[in-house]
Amino acid sequence: NAGVMQNPRHLVRRRGQEARLRCSPMKGHSHVYWYRQLPEEGLKFMVYLQKENIIDESGMPKERFSAEFPKEGPSILRIQQVVRGDSAAYFCASSPVRGGGEQYFGPGTRLTVT
Amino acid sequence: AQSVTQLDSQVPVFEEAPVELRCNYSSSVSVYLFWYVQYPNQGLQLLLKYLSGSTLVKGINGFEAEFNKSQTSFHLRKPSVHISDTAEYFCAVTLYGGSQGNLIFGKGTKLSVKP
Repeated sequence: NAGVMQNPRHLVRRRGQEARLRCSPMKGHSHVYWYRQLPEEGLKFMVYLQKENIIDESGMPKERFSAEFPKEGPSILRIQQVVRGDSAAYFCASSPVRGGGEQYFGPGTRLTVT
Repeated sequence: AQSVTQLDSQVPVFEEAPVELRCNYSSSVSVYLFWYVQYPNQGLQLLLKYLSGSTLVKGINGFEAEFNKSQTSFHLRKPSVHISDTAEYFCAVTLYGGSQGNLIFGKGTKLSVKP
């Protein structure tokens, strides 16, 4: 049973470009969470999605960031017009149940904005 | 709102010595508690979790943690550490019975095991 997959593992973008981060949850999991880890900080919740629905986006910056989890295919975190402050590790986690359960993390995508 | 405080940002320890990584949380409602480990340039791996029942929880790699409701603590312990335990450890909470389930993390504790 494959774990949570994320790609790319490393992504370099110039300021102003778009970044697309992909996350394939574990088989049978329909709940996906995105977290951001800044240097010397713990992980911060960004958004929680279930298939085709955004359940909670209270941790997402109001501008330039969006997320989706279509019926078919991986979950996508999109960052438009990236800035240097977006440089971070972005982790995806999946869960088989809604709320309170164990989350399984992917290896992360390390975004560097030059 | 919930918050998690990991009191030590770095803990150096010699191999085969015991270790305790401290975690305190703040919440006006009941929570589930977790410890995760992150090895360099990798994702997070669950060490152990407290959902209900016995307050002493045993996890993988010989780690255990004790939930103390009165002190709102969930400290992680290992009686004898190995070099391979060198990693960063994160304590996290989520609302008990919450419909959202997002984890709230502490800032992490870097455990460095020296020979």
